[in-house]
Formats: sequence, structure tokens, C-alpha cells
Amino acid sequence: AQKVTQVQTEISVVEKEDVTLDCVYETRDTTYYLFWYKQPPSGELVFLIRRNSFDEQNEISGRYSWNFQKSTSSFNFTITASQVVDSAVYFCALSVVTSGSRLTFGEGTQLTVNP
Amino acid sequence: NAGVMQNPRHLVRRRGQEARLRCSPMKGHSHVYWYRQLPEEGLKFMVYLQKENIIDESGMPKERFSAEFPKEGPSILRIQQVVRGDSAAYFCASSPLGQSSGNTIYFGEGSWLTVV
Repeated sequence: AQKVTQVQTEISVVEKEDVTLDCVYETRDTTYYLFWYKQPPSGELVFLIRRNSFDEQNEISGRYSWNFQKSTSSFNFTITASQVVDSAVYFCALSVVTSGSRLTFGEGTQLTVNP
Repeated sequence: NAGVMQNPRHLVRRRGQEARLRCSPMKGHSHVYWYRQLPEEGLKFMVYLQKENIIDESGMPKERFSAEFPKEGPSILRIQQVVRGDSAAYFCASSPLGQSSGNTIYFGEGSWLTVV
């Protein structure tokens, strides 16, 4: 069975601070995919990134960066110089080839960026 | 390019009524998924469908819930005899190929069901 744990339920920062959202996953499969989605207050789910288990290169996209470490089964997400518009719930998710279609989501981290 | 389209966005039903939620996948996508988000919780997989086929319904409640994806038209998630515990956000997602290939699935904006 797969499991995704997002340790932080809520994080509150002041604008321009850097913030890291942690994600730890569990799976026995060697081939798997990791995702981050953003759910702003309006409710929709916005895809941010997908990473496969064979690619441990870190990725940067603007103010967003992701740190994938297989040794610790973690896929952490950092927002640099946070902005109020970053306030949202962020979900980490995992899918494995042997489970076909399922995405297993973490419980989400509510990020609040205060002006 | 239209994304995944869900309607209605908000639906209110009285206990015992039926709820029908519709989902039109992104153009070119033939795989549809439904997820449920209960209040203050993460998303839970419900069902995975291709045109005219249910591929994986292991996350569907055994009773009152059904889903279809006909040859023509949108995918429908149907909840019969709704109860208060069915109040949730229901998200539809689609992908061009099955998730087993690792393709990203894109979500719609969700349908919020409130049972009163």
C-alpha cells in the first residue's frame, strides 16, 4: 500500500519569507511518480509538478523548487520569497505503476502568507 | 483549450434525493477519474473510467454511488438517496493515457455537493 504524509498541517509566514513544505512517501514499488498540486481558496486543483522515481534531479521553476531524495523518501517543496497569492492548500501525491490509476494524496498543508 | 469541465460547481440536495455530477475531459483525453474531498481532508480516489468501461472502482462506496463514461457525452457520477455524509467536493480529472504510464492527470474545478 502507498502512503503520503505531509507533516505540516498549517504553516503561516510573512510575505517574502522562504517556506518549505515537507512530503514523505511510502511505497515498495521501484517505479512511481510524485506530484504536487495547489488548491487556492477558489477550490480548483492546480498541477504544479510531476517527478518520476528515476529522476532525482532537483527542479526549479521561478520561485518554486522541489527537492527529491529517494534515500529519505521525501519530495519537499520550497517557495522562495513567498507572496500573498501563494496562500493555498498544497497537496503532495504519489502514484505507482502497479496501482494503475490511483493517486494517493497527503492530507495537505494549508499555507498562509501574511502581508 | 478548454480544461476539464465539471458541472454543476455547486449543488444542494435534500436527504434522499439524487445528485448527478458531470465531467467533460480535456480534449483528446480518454481517461476519466473521480476523487472525493471530504471537509478538512485530502482527496480520495473513487473510480477510473475509459469510454464505456469502468477500469477501477475500488474507491467507490458499495452502495448508492455509480459512475459512467458513455461513448458520447460527459462522464456522470451519480449518488442516489444522498445523506449528509455525502457532502463533499467531487473532483473529476482526465489524462490522455492511463495513469499507470505516469501521465499527469489534470483536475477540473470540482463540484461541491451540500446535502441538507
